[in-house]
Amino acid sequence: NAGVTQTPKFRILKIGQSMTLQCTQDMNHNYMYWYRQDPGMGLKLIYYSVGAGITDKGEVPNGYNVSRSTTEDFPLRLELAAPSQTSVYFCASSGTTYEQYFGPGTRLTVT
Amino acid sequence: KQEVTQIPAALSVPEGENLVLNCSFTDSAIYNLQWFRQDPGKGLTSLLLIQSSQREQTSGRLNASLDKSSGRSTLYIAASQPGDSATYLCAVRSFSIGGSQGNLIFGKGTKLSVKP
Repeated sequence: NAGVTQTPKFRILKIGQSMTLQCTQDMNHNYMYWYRQDPGMGLKLIYYSVGAGITDKGEVPNGYNVSRSTTEDFPLRLELAAPSQTSVYFCASSGTTYEQYFGPGTRLTVT
Repeated sequence: KQEVTQIPAALSVPEGENLVLNCSFTDSAIYNLQWFRQDPGKGLTSLLLIQSSQREQTSGRLNASLDKSSGRSTLYIAASQPGDSATYLCAVRSFSIGGSQGNLIFGKGTKLSVKP
């Protein structure tokens, strides 16, 4: 099992550009999550999904969108990137025990 | 609103020492508590998960305890090794940020350095 995979590992965006961060899990987990981690601020939940076709906002959803068309994939879309979105983004998944498993992260810089 | 605090923010110990990392949370209505390890530039690795009905969990040299009524958890690391150097994060599954099953709220972590 690869677990949770994320692409790309690194990305530099210009202000106003858009991009999609990809996340895939092969553990057949129903629950998937997107977090951002800023230095000294801890992890904050952006969006989560409890199953294919169902998504909901977390603590910091503004400026992001998600979709969940399959159990395996949970892409995060950034529209009109802003410097405040410079961060490290982590995707995670969990099954029936709610123990969360994390991907390796995407380091995004918006300049 | 649920808040999670980890003290100390950083800790340096000599190899072989037993140590305790602390985590406190403000709302005792939690579903579970999870301890993670994060190496520099890497993702989070789950260490231990304690359900709200449990008092402790053990894995190898790690032991985590949970006292819901006082809003505290500790992570005990026995016979520390240089390879234990990392940031340790505590997170509680709380209902305060939505979802019928709640979602994780993280502390800011304790950065541990174990010196040879």
